[in-house]
Amino acid sequence: QSALTQPPSASGSPGQSVTISCTGTSSDVGGYNYVSWYQQHPGKAPKLMIYEVSKRPSGVPDRFSGSKSGNTASLTVSGLQAEDEADYYCSSYAGSNNFEIHVVFGGGTKLTVL
Amino acid sequence: QVQLQESGPGLVKPSQTLSLTCTVSGGSISSGDYYWSWIRQPPGKGLEWIGYIYYSGSTYYNPSLKSRVTISVDTSKNQFSLKLSSVTAADTAVYYCARDNSGYELSDWGQGTLVTVSS
Repeated sequence: QSALTQPPSASGSPGQSVTISCTGTSSDVGGYNYVSWYQQHPGKAPKLMIYEVSKRPSGVPDRFSGSKSGNTASLTVSGLQAEDEADYYCSSYAGSNNFEIHVVFGGGTKLTVL
Repeated sequence: QVQLQESGPGLVKPSQTLSLTCTVSGGSISSGDYYWSWIRQPPGKGLEWIGYIYYSGSTYYNPSLKSRVTISVDTSKNQFSLKLSSVTAADTAVYYCARDNSGYELSDWGQGTLVTVSS
């Protein structure tokens, strides 16, 4: 299956909001409410920020929110802070059969806080 | 809180088998409804899901790697392992182990280990 499509970069000033898109197909993003978003700082492991499209794990600030419309999911970071500068990856469940699970990732978006 | 730690050789020769182990602490690998996962990230590139083993022992793999991948679990050592056969330079990556809550939510990650495929 093909990777999900994310913009390579996004940016915003401190305090502003920025939205990162993640476009797939009806076989992945559009077909299931199983989209997740991960934050990755340089040299570090990814961190789960959003799961099942819009749910936040315990400890993730409510400045992070997720949504989905059709085949496109979005991550919005409100009230940008310097520590939000990182790479962000989306992923989606894309079905299963014969002990094969299809989970696809986006190519990643580098978020810069200006 | 559960912690995961990858271990294994950092250098593997082409055509050989890459073998990594993930040691889990702070929780039993055989309890709970979790999927124990492997993910990789080539240098400077994005993430690729490799596969996982369910706590019951069932395994599920990325179709593009399925013919070369084996994931197994050793509950006595609270570890799970990855074997990737017939490696090439394209398999050079940071390999992460992780705990997945539902089969698509990687909630806890190891720090990652770089494996280079080179002669």
